Amino acid sequence: QKEVEQNSGPLSVPEGAIASLNCTYSDRGSQSFFWYRQYSGKSPELIMSIYSNGDKEDGRFTAQLNKASQYVSLLIRDSQPSDSATYLCAGRMDSSYKLIFGSGTRLLVRP
Amino acid sequence: DAGVTQSPTHLIKTRGQQVTLRCSPKSGHDTVSWYQQALGQGPQFIFQYYEEEERQRGNFPDRFSGHQFPNYSSELNVNALLLGDSALYLCASSLRGIHMNTEAFFGQGTRLTVV
Repeated sequence: QKEVEQNSGPLSVPEGAIASLNCTYSDRGSQSFFWYRQYSGKSPELIMSIYSNGDKEDGRFTAQLNKASQYVSLLIRDSQPSDSATYLCAGRMDSSYKLIFGSGTRLLVRP
Repeated sequence: DAGVTQSPTHLIKTRGQQVTLRCSPKSGHDTVSWYQQALGQGPQFIFQYYEEEERQRGNFPDRFSGHQFPNYSSELNVNALLLGDSALYLCASSLRGIHMNTEAFFGQGTRLTVV
């Protein structure tokens, strides 16, 4: 079982809709979670981090963490074609330095 | 404020050769991590350097080695290159590697092709 799992997609949504990206993790020791956006051929760009159960909002983005269910999500409101990219979920245990990434979900926002 | 910079951006090497990739962390950051990203996969952790020492290592063979300099910049060395080493190599910088609010920022990556 992979430590961090994501649906590879593509997830296709119309422009202006809410895109919901999901991630599950297997290690209950994982404490910190990060969402990165990666355009094709480019490097990952940090969108948000979350450490506590509940929601964290930043502009059009909301990250949600449920440690009991071992579930992390990213909501993108008012999706734009420029949001089309691969979204990587990563987790880190408190005692570890490394980020463990999922394989990413490809998001396609249709004009 | 300079972000994370990596060099070179692209590299083609022959199987069996050795390669050195370089990274300068974001201003104010003191920790550098290296990741390998194969096509269609998420980045895989190679190792992390802090205070010029390797602090943690992922599941990579000894052919992969690194170094951190007093100015916090870092090098990744790969010996005896294999075709399977072809990937995007990413450097991530952060401040003080181990607490919950440490965020890692990636450089633009080095695309290594082994032929």
